[in-house]
Amino acid sequence: EVQLVESGGGLVQPGRSMKLSCAASGFTFSNYGMAWVRQAPTKGLEWVATISYDGSSTYYRDSVKGRFTISRDNAKSTLYLQMNTLRSEDTATYYCTRSPTTPGEYFDYWGQGVMVTVSS
Amino acid sequence: DIVLTQSPALAVSLGQRATISCRASQSVSISKYNLMHWYQQKPGQQPKFLIYRASNLASGIPARFSGSGSGTDFTLTINPVQADDIATYYCQQSGESLTFGPGTKLELK
Repeated sequence: EVQLVESGGGLVQPGRSMKLSCAASGFTFSNYGMAWVRQAPTKGLEWVATISYDGSSTYYRDSVKGRFTISRDNAKSTLYLQMNTLRSEDTATYYCTRSPTTPGEYFDYWGQGVMVTVSS
Repeated sequence: DIVLTQSPALAVSLGQRATISCRASQSVSISKYNLMHWYQQKPGQQPKFLIYRASNLASGIPARFSGSGSGTDFTLTINPVQADDIATYYCQQSGESLTFGPGTKLELK
């Protein structure tokens, strides 16, 4: 059974940093692209970033370019999202997702999500 | 970015057909592929993958779900609707970057 378990969320002040982690199990992690998708409270879904199966390629939405970094450790089957210079508009539930095609058309498995609140 | 438009809500009776539409601001069909995908989200839960490339059912999804469309107009059909299908449905395109529609809330009539 595919499982994606996020951790690392919480309350953070504007301008500060936070790092999310996603522990994957139930599939060969190193064979799949992965992505982060977020959802602001009572809002819709928004793609954030994608990383290729081997970490050689990364893609970001414009609003997080230069501030967020997606990375992975295939030996640990773990996905990361380093978020710097956080803004109030980054407040959302962040979902770890599996992206089975290259360079990542859709998201076939989702974690339960982790809440990030950016507020002073 | 390609903007996706969905009706905010759709009311349907149990056992009837539900047709949920998604319109893209420009074509998301490239070569032979229609790059539109669908998800279901229930309150307090993560989204669930339903359909990929417009008409292909994801693993484990019941056959009462189906998808169709090409170019800019796409449809998710649920027939017959069951109580467990009451949720919000999102379309998502991958023709240019990755964007989601605003969601259609399926409600009981």
